[in-house]
Amino acid sequence: SYELTQPPSVSVSPGQTASITCSGDKLGDAYPCWYQQRPGQSPVLVIYQGSQRPSGIPERFSGSKSGNTATLTISGTQAMDEADYYCQAWDSSTEVFGTGTKVTVL
Amino acid sequence: EVQLVESGGELVQPGGSLRLSCAASGFTFSAYWMHWVRQAPGKGLVWVSRINNDGSSITYADSVKGRFTNSRDNAKKTLFLQMTSLRAEDTAVYYCARDVGGWYGMDVWGQGTTVTVSS
Repeated sequence: SYELTQPPSVSVSPGQTASITCSGDKLGDAYPCWYQQRPGQSPVLVIYQGSQRPSGIPERFSGSKSGNTATLTISGTQAMDEADYYCQAWDSSTEVFGTGTKVTVL
Repeated sequence: EVQLVESGGELVQPGGSLRLSCAASGFTFSAYWMHWVRQAPGKGLVWVSRINNDGSSITYADSVKGRFTNSRDNAKKTLFLQMTSLRAEDTAVYYCARDVGGWYGMDVWGQGTTVTVSS
């Protein structure tokens, strides 16, 4: 089965950098996407193709990958970035979301 | 404006059936793959099903295979999810999402519709 594992929570001070990892055995061949979900809202795509930002997503959001681990980095974190974040990947038979990470801006 | 609007969620008894709809507007619906994604209360996102642009290729999560049917009507710009043999664990907010293709991700999401399975 296709599984993606994320840390349950990450805490960051305003203005600092938050890093969220996403690990999976099949990520080596993947270019995962990342989604932000604020409380009570629908998910929003913040990174696609592993490292690309959609139009309208602030430059402080960036994505990278090394081996079987992808990372979402939020530089200069703002209070509005407090949300749940999910990685996502797919293959020919399935799509999968990561377990999700709650980012708290202290 | 590009928009997806889900409807059809309601309270249903275990073993019952329900059909969800997702109405698309503001883009060429027939050009895109579409997904259903669900989120149980207080839990994470879980992929349910995807359908290609002309409906000829459909894939399901193991948890719903044989019980849910994903379909689309491109003329009416609407996506459907027929759910049967519903269980308590199917209780969730159900989202439809547009897929740009490849690794471009699900770039447009609806607001979600709530399905509650309870007696």
